[in-house]
Amino acid sequence: QSALTQPPSASGSPGQSVTISCTGTSSDVGGYNYVSWYQQYPGKAPKLMIYEVTRRPSGVPDRFSGSKSGNTASLTVSGLQAEDEADYYCNSYAGSNNFFFGTGTKVTVL
Amino acid sequence: EVQLVESGGGLVQPGGSLRLSCVASGFTFSSYWMNWVRQAPGKGLVWVSRIKSDGSSTGYADSVKGRFTISRDNAKNTLFLQMNSLRPEDTAVYYCTSGGGAFDYWGQGTLVTVSS
Repeated sequence: QSALTQPPSASGSPGQSVTISCTGTSSDVGGYNYVSWYQQYPGKAPKLMIYEVTRRPSGVPDRFSGSKSGNTASLTVSGLQAEDEADYYCNSYAGSNNFFFGTGTKVTVL
Repeated sequence: EVQLVESGGGLVQPGGSLRLSCVASGFTFSSYWMNWVRQAPGKGLVWVSRIKSDGSSTGYADSVKGRFTISRDNAKNTLFLQMNSLRPEDTAVYYCTSGGGAFDYWGQGTLVTVSS
């Protein structure tokens, strides 16, 4: 198995919404509700933004939301702000003590 | 405040070995699954390995299975990654992270470079 598929880039103007997809298979994204999303700034460690498909950790703005349909999960960032410009990665449990990350999406705020 | 501090990275020749450590503080280390995640220069995140809170269960990515061994010392709040038979493609920043179904806290990472 290989990484989950994400679009390489996404963009939007301040105040707009952007949605990032994360496509896997029935053995990972479609088979478990352990999908999470991470934000990473250059040279920094990733930060957990969404876990268990839709849950937000304390301190993460409610502008960030997650969903899943079949083998595809999505992260939506509403009301885009300049500080949201970063790389975003999805992750899914794949059974048998195994996880896969997505290929990563660079979000640009125009 | 939760802190995860990795150490042990460096330059190693192909075929060599290295042992990474991660010291945890600010949470009950012995109650949490722990993981290693790596990121090659300019590339994406790759999950490497995980270990259950009591050490009774482990998992590995196919790319490191048979070469890397994850372990922990709950008395010293420390996570380890023993890396043997290292290859140039193992060159990456290695992050220590906590969590079972998601990775909630991350260290700053330690760089491993495999090169002759």
